Order: sequence, then structure tokens, then C-alpha cells
Amino acid sequence: DAKTTQPNSMESNEEEPVHLPCNHSTISGTDYIHWYRQLPSQGPEYVIHGLTSNVNNRMASLAIAEDRKSSTLILHRATLRDAAVYYCILSGPNFGNEKLTFGTGTRLTIIP
Amino acid sequence: DTAVSQTPKYLVTQMGNDKSIKCEQNLGHDTMYWYKQDSKKFLKIMFSYNNKELIINETVPNRFSPKSPDKAHLNLHINSLELGDSAVYFCASSLRVKGTDTQYFGPGTRLTVL
Repeated sequence: DAKTTQPNSMESNEEEPVHLPCNHSTISGTDYIHWYRQLPSQGPEYVIHGLTSNVNNRMASLAIAEDRKSSTLILHRATLRDAAVYYCILSGPNFGNEKLTFGTGTRLTIIP
Repeated sequence: DTAVSQTPKYLVTQMGNDKSIKCEQNLGHDTMYWYKQDSKKFLKIMFSYNNKELIINETVPNRFSPKSPDKAHLNLHINSLELGDSAVYFCASSLRVKGTDTQYFGPGTRLTVL
């Protein structure tokens, strides 16, 4: 499985933007980049995913480097509720490549 | 409406017992999964089922037996529980068995084996 590397932890002030980096230098041409997050005592929840182009949704934006070897999850205005562990995961579109391999993620702390 | 539900939320039991965890999804998805999150918070896939057929079995001991009576349910039965089975177990579902499909997770079942 292609691996991802994320910082163990990050802090951000409330109501400020947060940029969460992820390196995935061994990504294959068909791998999608997914971001999930896990709030305390809850199951993981989907945040966003993309292949090549930058993506936006109501939760966040995903900026993907041109060579696809890295990506950044952007929370435009962090709230206390965004404190969670954020996981950057690669998975392929083909049958059998659907499993999500979670790494250690980035623990995001929001400072009031 | 809860999309993916699990019961029970907490399960405390003695070593050697047999227990089951139930999972149901009301999203109309074809694919369901079981994940295990250990005390160090590593989250690992155990099984996946597509339309009631086993797709992935990640070298899980055969004391763990998933059962899918229909595509909305994927239960996990564990025989002869061991201390190392203590963890939080998450059920998830996705529309299809494709890596591009979003997985929706349940709230988890915290299993404690004494």
C-alpha cells in the first residue's frame, strides 16, 4: 500500500485557517487522496477526497500538488469542533483496493 | 436517522467468553466493513463484505467470524475472547466496493475483556 506521512500534531487558533499537510511520494497514478477525521470518542468521518484537481466542499478544501506527491487539507476557519485526528489516506479505484489504510494521522488542537 | 448503527456501545466480558457485535446500515450500501482500533489508536481493517460476500479478510484470527444475513447487516462474532481483543470496533459501509467511495462509520463498540 502506498504510504502517507503527516505531522503527529498541530495547533491552531480558533477562527483562523488551518493547513494540514500530507506527503505521499509513492502515490500511483490511480490512487485517490482521501481525508477523514476522527472526533474524540467517535467513528471516523469523511472530509474530502480528490485525484488531481483541487477540491472544495462545505467542510474543507483539498489542495493537491502538481506532481501529486503531497496534498494539503485546508480548514478555512477552524472552530473548537474541528479538534480531531485527521487522516490522509490513499486508496485505488479498482476492486479490492477499497480498503482504507489509516496511519497515525495529525492530532489537531484548536486554541480558543 | 442514524446511518450506521452498532450495538452494544460498550461490552465488558470475561476471557474465554463468546460475544457478538451487531451493525446495521440504512444507506442502501452494498459494502460493509469491520475495523479495529487498539489502545494506541491504530485503526485497522479486519473484514469487508460486498453483497453478503467476503471480500477482505486481513489475517484476522479465525476466532473472529463476520456474518452478513443481508446487505444491510454485518455482525461480528468473537469466540474465546482474549485480553488482546480489547479495543474499539467500528463498522462502516460504502455504496460500492470501490476505493473512490466514501466510507460511513458507526459510533463504535468498546470491548473490554477482563
